[in-house]
Amino acid sequence: SAVISQKPSRDICQRGTSLTIQCQVDSQVTMMFWYRQQPGQSLTLIATANQGSEATYESGFVIDKFPISRPNLTFSTLTVSNMSPEDSSIYLCSVGLTGTLGDEQFFGPGTRLTVL
Amino acid sequence: AQSVTQLGSHVSVSEGALVLLRCNYSSSVPPYLFWYVQYPNQGLQLLLKYTSAATLVKGINGFEAEFKKSETSFHLTKPSAHMSDAAEYFCAVSPPYAGNMLTFGGGTRLMVKP
Repeated sequence: SAVISQKPSRDICQRGTSLTIQCQVDSQVTMMFWYRQQPGQSLTLIATANQGSEATYESGFVIDKFPISRPNLTFSTLTVSNMSPEDSSIYLCSVGLTGTLGDEQFFGPGTRLTVL
Repeated sequence: AQSVTQLGSHVSVSEGALVLLRCNYSSSVPPYLFWYVQYPNQGLQLLLKYTSAATLVKGINGFEAEFKKSETSFHLTKPSAHMSDAAEYFCAVSPPYAGNMLTFGGGTRLMVKP
């Protein structure tokens, strides 16, 4: 398993500004993922961030809006740029690990973002 | 392509009653299936997973789920609900041997009445 922390845990931001969310893992992992969970909704994958390569974005998400960094095997950041109220969501990072029963994901506690 | 449908966005049970949360999947190949729980203001926690071994999977906190290929279902059950089970539950699917590539269902909020 893995212990994952995120900073900040929550924030309230003004429209037009940007927020960078940090994700720290207690062990080295290759695969990290960023998800968005809009109010009352399920999780939607934003991008996959593997160390040493550019992040891969899912349909509907672009690098200019959600730039991601992955400087090493234990850390990643997601920036929500030029925010609007529609960006109000919980943003979760997760890591992919291989256990005894194959691959699975472990999730961080999430960052609750409110945009005014 | 894969998809997951969770029937019932809200389920309410009395404490001590049976919990049944429904999940149906669509996949072109036999998938891996997962149930996650999300307590208020927390991240997701894996409850159990099916990876083509035993069709009846036992998880944490007394939950279990049965993979039924003929019904393309993976319903989550618990014989007796506890107040602490109140949470959001997500069913997810991934291709076989790729448990990292999750597609989530819409979620079911379980409420437990005293």
